[in-house]
This record gives sequence, structure tokens and C-alpha cells, in this order.
Amino acid sequence: NAGVMQNPRHLVRRRGQEARLRCSPMKGHSHVYWYRQLPEEGLKFMVYLQKENIIDESGMPKERFSAEFPKEGPSILRIQQVVRGDSAAYFCASSPGRGLGAFGSGTRLTVV
Amino acid sequence: QKEVEQNSGPLSVPEGAIASLNCTYSDRGSQSFFWYRQYSGKSPELIMFIYSNGDKEDGRFTAQLNKASQYVSLLIRDSQPSDSATYLCAVNRGSTLGRLYFGRGTQLTVWP
Repeated sequence: NAGVMQNPRHLVRRRGQEARLRCSPMKGHSHVYWYRQLPEEGLKFMVYLQKENIIDESGMPKERFSAEFPKEGPSILRIQQVVRGDSAAYFCASSPGRGLGAFGSGTRLTVV
Repeated sequence: QKEVEQNSGPLSVPEGAIASLNCTYSDRGSQSFFWYRQYSGKSPELIMFIYSNGDKEDGRFTAQLNKASQYVSLLIRDSQPSDSATYLCAVNRGSTLGRLYFGRGTQLTVWP
């Protein structure tokens, strides 16, 4: 039974481009959390989604960031017009219920 | 005041010793407490959680919680070089179960 799958593992974008990060939850899991880990900082909550619903997005920056978890397919974290400050590791976790499950291996975004 | 504070370390102990990691939190309403281990370049993995005052033991790991002092600790007995990692303390305040507030982590090195 595969764990939480994130892709790509590494993503390089130029300033101003868009970044799309994917998270495929474990089979049967309908809850997804996204966290960001900036260099030298702790993990910070971004958004909590259930299938087709955003439950809590209070940790998302107000602009340029969006997330979705469609009925079919992976959860997507989208960052428009990336800036160097967006360079970080982005982790998602899935669970069958409301608690936080295991993290995926993460996507390391580098903005050049 | 940060939500969760940890000594950044680094903490260095010899193999076989007890490593003691400490964490304080600011919100008295915090309900559950977690310790994660993160190897360099990897995702965090849950090693312990605790909800009630007192001690909780799991193998070589003991988590200790004192809600009156708003203090959580993790003891690692018989430390091994493979325990060398960054240890993240996290708390949940109960509103969104999977929304955890993380400290910046304590880097532990166990030398042979």
C-alpha cells in the first residue's frame, strides 16, 4: 500500500512562472493537509482540504496561492508568479479522518 | 511570543547516553502534543504523541507533558548514531485536528 505520493520531488521555476505541486493521498484517504517548510524555519500549516472542499485555508498567503482537491485525481497546490521567497519544501499529509496522517516525501521548490 | 519554542541546539550526546529535548508552548488551550523526527532532506515522521499529563513510553522514547507549566519533553534512552536528526515539537489547539503548530526543531547529534 503506497504512502502519500508527491511530485515532482524537485521543481525549479524562474521568478514569475507558475508552480504546480501534486499530492496523491493514500488509498481511501479523503483528507489532505499542506504544510510549508521555509529554510531555517519550522513547518507551517497552509491548508486543509477534503474532497472538493477547502475546510481551512487560514494558513495560505492571501495572494498567488491556491489549492484544490478534486473528486478525482490528486490535490494540487498552485503558486502563481513565484518569487524567491516561495523557495521551500512543501509537504502534504493525508488521513482517513480529521487528524494529521503521515507526510509525503515533499516537493522542494527552488525559484531562480 | 512564538506558539511553540524549542532550543535550536545543536545537542550533542555520546552513544548510549540519554538525550533530552525540550519544548514550551504558549496556548494553554493546546490539547495534543507531538514529536516528529526529520532527517536531513527528508520529510518529518511521527515518533510520539501525548494528550495527558505525565509520561508516555514507547521503546527507547519517553514523552513527558506538564500542562500547568506548558512544557513537553522527549527523552531518548540509549541514544544511537541513527537517532541523529532534527526533532520537531508540535501542538494542536483543537480547532482543526490536523493543524499543528511546529517549533523550529532541535538538531541532535549522537556521536559514537
